[in-house]
Formats: sequence, C-alpha cells, structure tokens
Amino acid sequence: GAVVSQHPSRVICKSGTSVKIECRSLDFQATTMFWYRQFPKQSLMLMATSNEGSKATYEQGVEKDKFLINHASLTLSTLTVTSAHPEDSSFYICSARPSSTNYGYTFGSGTRLTVV
Amino acid sequence: GQNIDQPTEMTATEGAIVQINCTYQTSGFNGLFWYQQHAGEAPTFLSYNVLDGLEEKGRFSSFLSRSKGYSYLLLKELQMKDSASYLCAVRDNTDKLIFGTGTRLQVFP
Repeated sequence: GAVVSQHPSRVICKSGTSVKIECRSLDFQATTMFWYRQFPKQSLMLMATSNEGSKATYEQGVEKDKFLINHASLTLSTLTVTSAHPEDSSFYICSARPSSTNYGYTFGSGTRLTVV
Repeated sequence: GQNIDQPTEMTATEGAIVQINCTYQTSGFNGLFWYQQHAGEAPTFLSYNVLDGLEEKGRFSSFLSRSKGYSYLLLKELQMKDSASYLCAVRDNTDKLIFGTGTRLQVFP
C-alpha cells in the first residue's frame, strides 16, 4: 500500500530557531502534498497545499514566511517552521493522495514539535 | 467559508451502538471521509461516501445525504479500543481534505 514517511517524529527546539520536517512518499509519486497542524484536543487544520515544482498554496491565516514549504521532487515535501515560538508547539501531519486511487489519502505519522 | 461540524464529545457503553453526526457546508463536494484517530497518532481511514446512502464495513457504517449536507458514522458492538477521536472530512473541488471539528468518543465498561 501507499506509504508516507514523516520525520522527525518528535523534536524540541529553542525559541527563535528553525525546524525542518520532512514528508516522503515511499512507493508512489505525489505531485501534491498537504500539511496539517493539530493542537491538543482539536481537529486537523489544513495549513497549506504543497505543489511539486511550484509555490505552495497557503490557507487563510497561515503565514507563508513563517511556514516555508518546499516540494522539490515528486516524493519529498518539507515544512520549515522559522523563528519558532512556544505557540508553534503542535502536532504537524502531512498527507498525500496516490493518483492510483480516487480517494485514498495517506498520512504521515506526524511530528510533535515542542518549542521551549 | 468551510464549516464541518461534529459533536465535541460522546460517551457510550461497551457493546452498545453509537451514532456520530457530521454536517457540512463546503466549497464543492467530492466525497466524505471518516477517520479514527488515537492521541498522538495519524488518522486511520474508516470509510468513504461519495453517493447518497449507507456504506457498511463490519462494525462500522457510514451514511451520506448530499442534499442535506449530512453524514453519520455508526459504530456497533462497541469495544473499549473504540475510544478515540472520530474525524469527518470533506474533499472539496480542489482535492483538499477539510476536517471537521472532531468527536472524542469514550467507551465505558
């Protein structure tokens, strides 16, 4: 089956530093990937759509200069949280939909980011 | 705007049946999904509806009414391991998957 690998699973960083999260599709090509953020006891909130070879599309209210997305290949998308602050602490999850299926979205295992 | 609403919390007893409702108003509709999520983990796919009616898969069933913007997830013969969050999500006309508010289900013995 389609697998999306996400790394790291957990990261702790100091305020003001940047953190990069990687999302890889292991056995399929993903021209589009989606990045979500989830705060405790809340649902998944779509942050942006990552498009291979072009600029990401950000949802309203998401700062594109703070959450940098790069999708340089058909199997890799990265999310960089720049100048992280404690309020950026959250669970970040990526997702992709293999073109071979009409509806199957595959999710990464998520990244727990803690900014201290 | 996009609105996908679910009850915040529900409780039920082991062995019982529970119905989790979801109402939606989205920019386009290309299918509705139900996911199960345990804390700190990725969502797990449960069901997919794109046409009106009931889809049954073992202990789980999902219903869709597109004209009413309404779906429900029915869980039968509840088990303790079913305690989790259940997320309704709509695929809009740009292929985005938009999640609802989520329902935390607690199953008691």
